[in-house]
Formats: sequence, C-alpha cells, structure tokens
Amino acid sequence: GESVGLHLPTLSVQEGDNSIINCAYSNSASDYFIWYKQESGKGPQFIIDIRSNMDKRQGQRVTVLLNKTVKHLSLQIAATQPGDSAVYFCAERTGRRALTFGSGTRLQVQP
Amino acid sequence: EAGVAQSPRYKIIEKRQSVAFWCNPISGHATLYWYQQILGQGPKLLIQFQNNGVVDDSQLPKDRFSAERLKGVDSTLKIQPAKLEDSAVYLCASRLGLAGVRGTDTQYFGPGTRLTVL
Repeated sequence: GESVGLHLPTLSVQEGDNSIINCAYSNSASDYFIWYKQESGKGPQFIIDIRSNMDKRQGQRVTVLLNKTVKHLSLQIAATQPGDSAVYFCAERTGRRALTFGSGTRLQVQP
Repeated sequence: EAGVAQSPRYKIIEKRQSVAFWCNPISGHATLYWYQQILGQGPKLLIQFQNNGVVDDSQLPKDRFSAERLKGVDSTLKIQPAKLEDSAVYLCASRLGLAGVRGTDTQYFGPGTRLTVL
C-alpha cells in the first residue's frame, strides 16, 4: 500500500447514514481480502473478510464488495454509529503470504 | 478465547540503545507475524513465522532487527541499536491457518508496543 503520511483520507458521515469506504488493491493474484478497524492506541480489529471466489459478503451491519476486474474493494457500514469512528484499512494476501495493507481511511461520524 | 498479548505497551529509549518486544499469540496459532506501523500508515510486515521457522523476513532490516520464536509459541523482536526512524508501533499478529478449513484464515492483532526513540 502507498503511504499517505499523516494526512489520511477522511470520510465524514452523519450518525445513522450508511458509509462506504473504498480501497484499490494492486496484486491481481491476491486471493484473500480483509478489512480492519483501528482505533487510536489499539491494534487493528478484524471486521470482515472475503475470498476471491466471491464478490460480496455480509456481516452484522457490514458488507464487503469485491470487484476483481478493476481490483477494487469496498466496505459498506449500515446505520453508522459514533463507535464506528476509526481508521479503516483494507489488506490483501496471496496464498500463505502475509497481508499487504493499503493506506487507511479515517471515518468520522458526526452525532 | 484470549487474544494476542504483547508487552510492553510503551517503551521510550535513546538512539543506539537496544530494546526487545514480546508476543504471545492466540493458543494454537501456528503462524505469527511482526509488523511495523509508522504513524499515519498501514502496518508493514517485518517477519512471518510458521511454528518456529521463518517464512518471510525479506523486509526485516537484519543489520539491526532480529526475531525468534524458539518453541513455536512466544516470540521476541529485538532492535539493536535503535535509530530515530524506528519510532513506530510494533504489532504482533497470529493466524490459525488450517488448510481448507474456513474461518481459520483471519489474522488477529495484538494491541502493539509503541516505541519512541529519542
């Protein structure tokens, strides 16, 4: 993933709205993708994952969409809550290799 | 189920000093990773272990960084001597990773150790 230094892209949404966080990945051979949420001072927390043989997977209030044609991943959060405010990272993996992380997106939820 | 444990949580040292971080992965997880996360960036892999063997250490600055996982459980990461640019959060993660078994691919992270080099 590319470095964005201290200036992370920021998505600001109103409480109760739906949020969509986008991610472009680089390796067409990647077969596993995952989204993490990271709050200040904490380690990344697993949200949802998806394999390359799927294009959509749903969890509780979250949906991940995978478009392999354009190498794009998105995370949709329904009815966003103040507790969803954090930095979100996507990551990709090929086979048994380690995850490669993208640049993060800061989600700010306005009450 | 207990998560990935790391210690210490914070460490402040002067440049050229040495420092060591400890990680205890989730019980039974064969794969263990150390990542470096510089402020404002995503985690970057330093080293990956499978049991007590190194799978990938291509991004580990071996002139100053070392890591071991002697018994295939706990791991330590050492920096000697530290440089100013080593200031970062050092994250440990583990994965069960059973081939063909769904739900075992997820990589779980510990809380990290925040290192400040003065």
